[in-house]
Amino acid sequence: DAKTTQPTSMDCAEGRAANLPCNHSTISGNEYVYWYRQIHSQGPQYIIHGLKNNETNEMASLIITEDRKSSTLILPHATLRDTAVYYCIVRVSSGGSNYKLTFGKGTLLTVNP
Amino acid sequence: GAVVSQHPSWVICKSGTSVKIECRSLDFQATTMFWYRQFPKQSLMLMATSNEGSKATYEQGVEKDKFLINHASLTLSTLTVTSAHPEDSSFYICSAGSWANTEAFFGQGTRLTVV
Repeated sequence: DAKTTQPTSMDCAEGRAANLPCNHSTISGNEYVYWYRQIHSQGPQYIIHGLKNNETNEMASLIITEDRKSSTLILPHATLRDTAVYYCIVRVSSGGSNYKLTFGKGTLLTVNP
Repeated sequence: GAVVSQHPSWVICKSGTSVKIECRSLDFQATTMFWYRQFPKQSLMLMATSNEGSKATYEQGVEKDKFLINHASLTLSTLTVTSAHPEDSSFYICSAGSWANTEAFFGQGTRLTVV
């Protein structure tokens, strides 16, 4: 799986949009970009994933650049409960053992009141 | 999303004893389950991958005789930490996936403290 690079930490004001960047310059054509987050002392929570088109769900939006070398996770209206470590992971999306995820250090997002 | 349940949420055991952690997929059949370990202020590290009905595949540096993994059914995998020592104290997390889903789902984790 391709390696990703994320900032160590970010701050965001409550109610504002949080934009979390991720670089994945060595991504392969068949690799997807996945985002998970981990709230303190809990298991990771799936947020969103995409291949090349921008994606949106009830939690967030994912913007992938045209060359697919970087992406941005957007939390449109951050709340205090969004404070967590956010992991950007690239992997081939298919069933079975390809669910193995390699976690980097992620970005600690702190939402401030 | 699908639900994966881990039990117990936390456990304290004496050094030298064994501890079993269960991971259940509640609303789907998990063909593959993964076990991770996370030390304080560090990221998740994959320990092993288990496919239902076959032996687990361990990552380099993980002792298979110490961390016994059983995946006897499509909804249950267990991790047994044998002869636990204080250095095994960690946060253990499982995840489960299936051919029908495009993402893996995680349990809530088990905090193991060996005293």
